[in-house]
Amino acid sequence: DGGITQSPKYLFRKEGQNVTLSCEQNLNHDAMYWYRQDPGQGLRLIYYSQIVNDFQKGDIAEGYSVSREKKESFPLTVTSAQKNPTAFYLCASSLLPGTDTQYFGPGTRLTVL
Amino acid sequence: EDQVTQSPEALRLQEGESSSLNCSYTVSGLRGLFWYRQDPGKGPEFLFTLYSAGEEKEKERLKATLTKKESFLHITAPKPEDSATYLCAVQAGTYKYIFGTGTRLKVLA
Repeated sequence: DGGITQSPKYLFRKEGQNVTLSCEQNLNHDAMYWYRQDPGQGLRLIYYSQIVNDFQKGDIAEGYSVSREKKESFPLTVTSAQKNPTAFYLCASSLLPGTDTQYFGPGTRLTVL
Repeated sequence: EDQVTQSPEALRLQEGESSSLNCSYTVSGLRGLFWYRQDPGKGPEFLFTLYSAGEEKEKERLKATLTKKESFLHITAPKPEDSATYLCAVQAGTYKYIFGTGTRLKVLA
């Protein structure tokens, strides 16, 4: 089955810690995205990548970092600089950058202790 | 400013009671409009993509329609398993997808 996997499902972070969220897809999609979902708000774009070794900041990139070393993988690091990281994080991919439907993974819920 | 507004915020229906969800948008240059279903604690599940005014798509009890200013998701004879949050999104640029805040649907048996 083709799809997008995210791990872990739940993640707890202590103050001052960096944590990394995993996102893997086997859909052979070129573009990948990271969104943040907070209650009562629409999804907000953190970072996106259209090809390997290239990524761009989205609307709320401060305190986050990403890498795209492989087509299938797009991990997100939430750094200690992100002051309010508690949220539901969603990874998505699309076949072609900017011209196609986005498909989402199951999400990671990050909680700051 | 590009914007997506969904209404109502929440909707309670009796099983079999048909209704419609609304997604109003203002965007300069619509590239596509997307409907997703999201269950609590899960990622959005893709339902439909609409590209041009007048387009309609159907899947089981759901039908999506598109005009130049809004989209409707019609739910015919809903069942309790249709309970979820329904998200609307528009693509306003190459990487610019704008999401609404969703409609929480509860279908009572």
